[in-house]
Amino acid sequence: DIQMTQSPSSLSASVGDRVTITCRASQNINTYLNWYQQKPGKAPNLLIYAASSLQSWVPSRFSGSGSGTDFTLTISSLQPEDLATYYCQQTYNTPPWTFGQGTKVEIK
Amino acid sequence: EVQLVESGGGLVQPGGSLRLSCAASGFTFSSAWMHWVRQVPGKGLVWVSHINSDGSSTSYADSVKGRFTISRDNAKNTLYLQMNSLRAEDTAVYYCTRGGWLQALNYWGQGTLVTVST
Repeated sequence: DIQMTQSPSSLSASVGDRVTITCRASQNINTYLNWYQQKPGKAPNLLIYAASSLQSWVPSRFSGSGSGTDFTLTISSLQPEDLATYYCQQTYNTPPWTFGQGTKVEIK
Repeated sequence: EVQLVESGGGLVQPGGSLRLSCAASGFTFSSAWMHWVRQVPGKGLVWVSHINSDGSSTSYADSVKGRFTISRDNAKNTLYLQMNSLRAEDTAVYYCTRGGWLQALNYWGQGTLVTVST
């Protein structure tokens, strides 16, 4: 099975800060990498698919990059409504399609 | 508007069974691959199972293989998860999700809580 490792597991940043979350796959997954945002008490929402494609509802301050084994989710200017836990997930080839352990983003 | 509404969760004793349902609307259900994902409260997301559009292909996480069965009724726009031989570690919120481009999970239900306890 492909293992997904996110870092950091949590972070605290101020409004307006640039925030970067990384996700590393245990083997090459091309760009079969998705990012989800889960706000407290809510179901997750797909944020970015295929490593860098934003869902239509996602603000442009969010971006994704990477291919192969190393991926990044960036929030260019953190906003209060970005308080959430962010998960990466690989959907390469065959199941299981594993998630990272999550990164909790808090606002200072 | 796409809607996924889970039901069937609740309290069950270890070794018991439960069947979850997910009623889908707002899209062509019979064309969509569907998935179940679970989350222990306060913990991360875990992919559980998937089924292809006509039900001919399924897959499972190792932790539930042989105990859980995913199925669908395209005439009723409904996804199911039959859970047998339940264990305490199956306690979680179970989400019904739709697979989109490259199986990115682009729609999620609100989740249904399954508690396995005496």
